[in-house]
Amino acid sequence: GAGVSQSPSNKVTEKGKDVELRCDPISGHTALYWYRQSLGQGLEFLIYFQGNSAPDKSGLPSDRFSAERTGGSVSTLTIQRTQQEDSAVYLCASSLASGSETQYFGPGTRLLVL
Amino acid sequence: AQSVTQLDSQVPVFEEAPVELRCNYSSSVSVYLFWYVQYPNQGLQLLLKYLSGSTLVKGINGFEAEFNKSQTSFHLRKPSVHISDTAEYFCAVSPLLSGGYNKLIFGAGTRLAVHP
Repeated sequence: GAGVSQSPSNKVTEKGKDVELRCDPISGHTALYWYRQSLGQGLEFLIYFQGNSAPDKSGLPSDRFSAERTGGSVSTLTIQRTQQEDSAVYLCASSLASGSETQYFGPGTRLLVL
Repeated sequence: AQSVTQLDSQVPVFEEAPVELRCNYSSSVSVYLFWYVQYPNQGLQLLLKYLSGSTLVKGINGFEAEFNKSQTSFHLRKPSVHISDTAEYFCAVSPLLSGGYNKLIFGAGTRLAVHP
């Protein structure tokens, strides 16, 4: 079946602009996670969704970052007023349930802020 | 808090040789342990996981790992590597949180380069 998909695959933006990154989890997966992979910080957890609610937002680096999930499916990660340090690969993962240990990752969105 | 240390940033090895990628972790609570592989321009793929029980776990592509609680290690091994194993490997832990979800905390990664 279809895996986790993310769009766009690449995004180049100018400093100060807002960007939206999209994640389509595997159908039926109730848990959804966002991670960021950057040269300086490695792979970091950003936020966790169970259904449409986000009980753990502890990894969001600043208030410029927000995320939502609608219909228990698609999630968007929004970065406002982008900065150069936001350049990274943003990875989305989903799992069947919150206690399910296996997370399935999408291919990521590579964000470059000029 | 939890942390994961992958002791080697790069491991070069010849084809058909054995390899070990080292991983140590620190945690004040019980954790699940994982190894993920990332091929170029792709997402992460689960190789294997340790939840409980036998400390030797077998995964895909002939990889295995051994959990050592006293040394807080979870080293990944393969007896004979192939060119196609060239990739970045990430060790990760997930603390057993009261919320019952699995927030992955990753090591910095080890780049395995298999040479002919």
